[in-house]
Amino acid sequence: NAGVTQTPKFQVLKTGQSMTLQCAQDMNHNSMYWYRQDPGMGLRLIYYSASEGTTDKGEVPNGYNVSRLNKREFSLRLESAAPSQTSVYFCASRETKFRAGPEKLFFGSGTQLSVL
Amino acid sequence: LAKTTQPISMDSYEGQEVNITCSHNNIATNDYITWYQQFPSQGPRFIIQGYKTKVTNEVASLFIPADRKSSTLSLPRVSLSDTAVYYCLVGRDNDYKLSFGAGTTVTVRA
Repeated sequence: NAGVTQTPKFQVLKTGQSMTLQCAQDMNHNSMYWYRQDPGMGLRLIYYSASEGTTDKGEVPNGYNVSRLNKREFSLRLESAAPSQTSVYFCASRETKFRAGPEKLFFGSGTQLSVL
Repeated sequence: LAKTTQPISMDSYEGQEVNITCSHNNIATNDYITWYQQFPSQGPRFIIQGYKTKVTNEVASLFIPADRKSSTLSLPRVSLSDTAVYYCLVGRDNDYKLSFGAGTTVTVRA
């Protein structure tokens, strides 16, 4: 069981270049998330998708776009990369369950992105 | 989401018990308390979740007083491999905007 898979693991971009970070989950979860984590800081929510066909902005959406391609896949696109977007990006999915309490988040291993 | 406050860092030694307290003064009736652990170069992983009193699993215990305005994550007899960042989240079933604060960096020394 692979869980949440992110590609690529590392990427170096020049300012102004574009790229798409890929994320896929095989746990049949409804909700998916993109976070960024800067050195020494916590995770900040970029975008999330509560269910297939919907996406919403998080805390720091500027400079990013997302696509929920299907239930399994949620991609993050940087149209024109800036040095301020140098960070580690984590994708997560949220379990679907029928008990009380917030569902668990399951995270991928991250993509380390450097923008020069 | 209810705002949470937790210490920035804690140091400990192998074999000791580590207790991390999280304050959440404006917790709502339907909110639960959830803790995640993050090792270097990895994404966070779920540790434990509770609503009131005490919850225990194979990794940790979570103590929640009656007023629920704070909670304490207890890690028994830590080892070097417990060195990580620990995040406290407060939220409910339909909270989709799940954000993590800076967390508590726990460093375990030999």
